[in-house]
Amino acid sequence: AQTVTQSQPEMSVQEAETVTLSCTYDTSESNYYLFWYKQPPSRQMILVIRQEAYKQQNATENRFSVNFQKAAKSFSLKISDSQLGDTAMYFCAFMFAQGGSEKLVFGKGTKLTVNP
Amino acid sequence: ETGVTQTPRHLVMGMTNKKSLKCEQHLGHNAMYWYKQSAKKPLELMFVYSLEERVENNSVPSRFSPECPNSSHLFLHLHTLQPEDSALYLCASSQSTGRGGYEQFFGPGTRLTVL
Repeated sequence: AQTVTQSQPEMSVQEAETVTLSCTYDTSESNYYLFWYKQPPSRQMILVIRQEAYKQQNATENRFSVNFQKAAKSFSLKISDSQLGDTAMYFCAFMFAQGGSEKLVFGKGTKLTVNP
Repeated sequence: ETGVTQTPRHLVMGMTNKKSLKCEQHLGHNAMYWYKQSAKKPLELMFVYSLEERVENNSVPSRFSPECPNSSHLFLHLHTLQPEDSALYLCASSQSTGRGGYEQFFGPGTRLTVL
């Protein structure tokens, strides 16, 4: 079975500082994709960053970057220069193809609060 | 309208009621999904439609009945629900290739409360 574990239910960080959110996953699939999604309070879930498992280079999107350790099945998210608007639930997710469709398996999420 | 829209945004219903949730995507995608989001639990995939055919039903109780009349619209028909069905129901869409890789775009959700 595919599982995603986010071991930090809640985190807080001061504005302008850096924070890292942890994620580990378990799979026997060889071809898969990893995502971090952000769900601000009472707002829509949006994609933060995406990583293909076959790529060794870590993905980066502006202030957001990942540390992808394939052998360890670890996929952490680093947020640099944290902003108040980064306050949200962050979900790590794992995608694989099965039976002609694509399945997205989510972790329980980490609630991040950015303090002024 | 852009992206993925859902109506209603909030719904309160009794256990004997019948109601429907609606989802519409304006992205030209070929796959749509229903998820259930409960507190303290990971998002649970309920149904997947690809090219308007249901390809996945994750052992969801029959009191939830999906309908996908075309690639842009998705419904979730509800009847005789239980209080534990209270949750945020999210709709998503994506361009499915069957091989994975493309992100799913989510709607704002319908907050369902079953009394």
